[in-house]
Amino acid sequence: QKEVEQNSGPLSVPEGAIASLNCTYSDRGSQSFFWYRQYSGKSPELIMFIYSNGDKEDGRFTAQLNKASQYVSLLIRDSQPSDSATYLCAADSNYQLIWGAGTKLIIKP
Amino acid sequence: DVKVTQSSRYLVKRTGEKVFLECVQDMDHENMFWYRQDPGLGLRLIYFSYDVKMKEKGDIPEGYSVSREKKERFSLILESASTNQTSMYLCASTWTAFNQPQHFGDGTRLSIL
Repeated sequence: QKEVEQNSGPLSVPEGAIASLNCTYSDRGSQSFFWYRQYSGKSPELIMFIYSNGDKEDGRFTAQLNKASQYVSLLIRDSQPSDSATYLCAADSNYQLIWGAGTKLIIKP
Repeated sequence: DVKVTQSSRYLVKRTGEKVFLECVQDMDHENMFWYRQDPGLGLRLIYFSYDVKMKEKGDIPEGYSVSREKKERFSLILESASTNQTSMYLCASTWTAFNQPQHFGDGTRLSIL
């Protein structure tokens, strides 16, 4: 069974600091990786996706992919209280996405 | 912007009832998905469809069926609802390639009493 693993947290980060969220995946054939944010009681919303090794930046968010280590991360710079949410990592495998259980992030004012 | 609409945000049903959850997308997406989400378990795929009248079982299809008569609409059916089907149900859609981002509806929180 292919898996995507995330630390469930909660991860507590001071406002203005960098939040670092990590994810590992088991299927070496995975090519596409996604980060979603989910507020309590709401549905997941796409933050970023990454297909190539290295970094991809979008505003305060940077996704990092290391296929050799089967590792994906999401960095959030200048963390804001509104970033407090659960972050879901997903990887493609056999015509579907495999989802991690999510990391709960808390930004402390 | 992609719009995925689920018919109900909250639904309360009784055990043994037949329950229909509807999902409509407005972006001509080929692929549509039904997930359920439970605390600590993440998203689990129930069924997906890659074309009209086509369906594939996901990881947890037992007790569920689906229907896709039109491209924009994907229905999830609980044949005989049971209390262990109390959950958040999420519909998603995406373009032809399975490695594209999935776009979610607002979810239906279903309670089976």
